[in-house]
Amino acid sequence: DQQVKQNSPSLSVQEGRISILNCDYTNSMFDYFLWYKKYPAEGPTFLISISSIKDKNEDGRFTVFLNKSAKHLSLHIVPSQPGDSAVYFCAASADNNDMRFGAGTRLTVKP
Amino acid sequence: DTGVSQDPRHKITKRGQNVTFRCDPISEHNRLYWYRQTLGQGPEFLTYFQNEAQLEKSRLLSDRFSAERPKGSFSTLEIQRTEQGDSAMYLCASSSDRGPSYEQYFGPGTRLTVT
Repeated sequence: DQQVKQNSPSLSVQEGRISILNCDYTNSMFDYFLWYKKYPAEGPTFLISISSIKDKNEDGRFTVFLNKSAKHLSLHIVPSQPGDSAVYFCAASADNNDMRFGAGTRLTVKP
Repeated sequence: DTGVSQDPRHKITKRGQNVTFRCDPISEHNRLYWYRQTLGQGPEFLTYFQNEAQLEKSRLLSDRFSAERPKGSFSTLEIQRTEQGDSAMYLCASSSDRGPSYEQYFGPGTRLTVT
């Protein structure tokens, strides 16, 4: 059962513009959401997270928005840089250990 | 600190053979996780250790899979009688119980190919 879904397998944006990556979930028990970034031949790297008691968390160029009523979260990267090109995974957890991942979105930032 | 390391990085084996992977977590992390990732999918949780105790196992972890963390430091994941469907990237992650365990730090993974 796919409890975390990333419906866009790929996204291409121009350098300097905003990248918006989307994620939907079905389990209302999820209370913590994370975004991981993955480069080829490396493991996923933690990027940013948000608790279910918040609707926004910002860290430099990265902002995560959570809409609990819609069971939707998004990652905004602005301005996008070529080095941001990677696969981005959305993840969610209900009990602090069993984390569920989406299938990932491949972001390409063109110079 | 060099981060989470995994060995080997690649393993090719014939169907029916046993394989064992090793994970060395970040030294001060007492939580250790194993995931499996297949092509086009995100990591899928397999099992979790708090120190040496295996506290949770996914139903994905069939009887052919076994994981250990005997001294609460490194961990091994063994797959017996490998099948072609076991071909995947096996990821290890670690975290500390002093912070959110949600923030797990991943190793580079071991890519298993079963021929």
